[in-house]
Amino acid sequence: GAVVSQHPSRVICKSGTSVKIECRSLDFQATTMFWYRQFPKKSLMLMATSNEGSKATYEQGVEKDKFLINHASLTLSTLTVTSAHPEDSSFYICSAATGGDSYEQYFGPGTRLTVT
Amino acid sequence: GQNIDQPTEMTATEGAIVQINCTYQTSGFNGLFWYQQHAGEAPTFLSYNVLDGLEEKGRFSSFLSRSKGYSYLLLKELQMKDSASYLCAVMDSNYQLIWGAGTKLIIKP
Repeated sequence: GAVVSQHPSRVICKSGTSVKIECRSLDFQATTMFWYRQFPKKSLMLMATSNEGSKATYEQGVEKDKFLINHASLTLSTLTVTSAHPEDSSFYICSAATGGDSYEQYFGPGTRLTVT
Repeated sequence: GQNIDQPTEMTATEGAIVQINCTYQTSGFNGLFWYQQHAGEAPTFLSYNVLDGLEEKGRFSSFLSRSKGYSYLLLKELQMKDSASYLCAVMDSNYQLIWGAGTKLIIKP
């Protein structure tokens, strides 16, 4: 159980375009989803936390107008990178938590974004 | 299919040594990561192994054997703050991360 999927797994886009990444919890309801960015051989950097039906909470330094997050249902959250630039190229990982007293997060496989 | 196995929970004593094992079966291999995650916090990077052998970093060491599909994380001189979940993740041939379920480590005084 507790499977999280991401789509697409990898995407290449041109500078200035927007890209949407989907994160789905396949066999459980995720009241909270997290979006991370991973730099090479580094820790995951938390970008934002989203709760179903409410606005996402962004970490300091993360531009909310550039990284649009929507958590429309208990099984789906989306991250849209708007007006992408080459420096946005990275590995984006989502995780989902059932909430309540559980802090366990189930991680997705990641999406590799390359902006040319 | 792709699979990462690690123990669900381990208990150790403060000041002792503990070894957390991780075995994997993946389509291709582009490195193995160990992360530490405290409850309610984001995972923090501990180590990255892509070649066989032991990598030592302070109290933590990580070992990899690609031929055996096996890694371990060794924690020495355990401290109470080491109580956390330890996640093993393998990057496959498509550069996708395959995550283990994590090992909850409980440190007792």
